[in-house]
Amino acid sequence: DADVTQTPRNRITKTGKRIMLECSQTKGHDRMYWYRQDPGLGLRLIYYSFDVKDINKGEISDGYSVSRQAQAKFSLSLESAIPNQTALYFCATSDYLSGDHNEQFFGPGTRLTVL
Amino acid sequence: QQQVKQSPQSLIVQKGGISIINCAYENTAFDYFPWYQQFPGKGPALLIAIRPDVSEKKEGRFTISFNKSAKQFSLHIMDSQPGDSATYFCAPGNFNKFYFGSGTKLNVKP
Repeated sequence: DADVTQTPRNRITKTGKRIMLECSQTKGHDRMYWYRQDPGLGLRLIYYSFDVKDINKGEISDGYSVSRQAQAKFSLSLESAIPNQTALYFCATSDYLSGDHNEQFFGPGTRLTVL
Repeated sequence: QQQVKQSPQSLIVQKGGISIINCAYENTAFDYFPWYQQFPGKGPALLIAIRPDVSEKKEGRFTISFNKSAKQFSLHIMDSQPGDSATYFCAPGNFNKFYFGSGTKLNVKP
């Protein structure tokens, strides 16, 4: 079974709709992240959480909100979706100073299309 | 503000050749310098990473060279293989917060 799972994997929605993307992990990591990937722009950080009570904005948080329901679950919401939020969304986890590095483990991604 | 600049945007290399990808950063507080590899339809996965107290790290065919004074680090892929064809991202950072480069799409021709 995958260590980091994302649902749904693909979603098409309409402008103005509310949508939630969910992320679950079985790695026992305390740190979780949401990124969006756009062609030619790499991955940009939307929100990150270092534990259940800690939520932080990333580079591009406008138009998004998050919820850390448990150590293993981190959800991303688009309250009123707009077409320029069409992108590939990734959830990632890490564990503070595990081993020799701060490796991030990524989920398989959610492809979101806003019409 | 653009913290990280990655080049080239795309790269075509013949099988057996050397692939070199560069990453320049601005924040001198960064203390972790990784390269991630992403195949189509997959999430990125860590390939190799280095800390600033060493200038080079080698793992198999993959080497990171780190130049602290120039605020640059690079990925070298020796004996490049078609299976190395993927998109590569640098993602330096600190305190478990990372800044991804724009990516380099590598195509290794058989």
